[in-house]
Amino acid sequence: QVQLVQSGAEVKKPGASVKVSCKALGYTFTRNYIHWVRQAPGQGLEWMGIISPSDGTTGNAQKFQVRFTMTRDTSTSVVFMELSSLRSEDTAVYYCARGGVLGELSWLDYWGQGTLVTVSS
Amino acid sequence: QSVLTQPPSVSGAPGQRVTISCTGSSSNIGAGYDVHWYQQLPGTAPKLLIYGNTNRPSGVPDRFSGSKSATSASLAITGLQADDEADYYCQSYDSSLSGSVFGGGTKLTVL
Repeated sequence: QVQLVQSGAEVKKPGASVKVSCKALGYTFTRNYIHWVRQAPGQGLEWMGIISPSDGTTGNAQKFQVRFTMTRDTSTSVVFMELSSLRSEDTAVYYCARGGVLGELSWLDYWGQGTLVTVSS
Repeated sequence: QSVLTQPPSVSGAPGQRVTISCTGSSSNIGAGYDVHWYQQLPGTAPKLLIYGNTNRPSGVPDRFSGSKSATSASLAITGLQADDEADYYCQSYDSSLSGSVFGGGTKLTVL
């Protein structure tokens, strides 16, 4: 069955970077876009960006144009997201989610379990 | 401030019907982009509830239905049950932001 398995929780200091992985299982990795969505404590969902596992092209939300990078490794079916220059406001649960072939227009049908990133001095 | 506006909370008694609205603008829902809905139970990842405005994924009960009109969309839940208590989010695409957007979320309380 389709699963997205994310790496474990991270604690980082302000100004540092964090890299979170998302391993895709149970389907052909290159067929579906992967989205990243975050949720600050007690807050709503915030779309961050999208990557095509097929060719590696990415699209970021305007808010994350500079500090947010997505990559993929087709040999292991893993997508990575990296957020740099962390600040306390980046404390959140980060989710990867599988999208359809319509890119940013698609719904998200499978979600990872989430990775809590805590930014604290 | 979310691009898609949802009421912060709605409530209903078991067995009743509730609706959750999602109001957008001419750059998202009003431009014809589809709306999708998610249910997030406490402490869990969101789950797809409705896609393409009105479609239910396999396994989602037909008590859940979606509709769309002009610049807004709605999620209706009939025969309310205690385990429907959750946060609900709408999602669409916004052409001025060139990306996907979520509503602010609505907390459903079953009285």
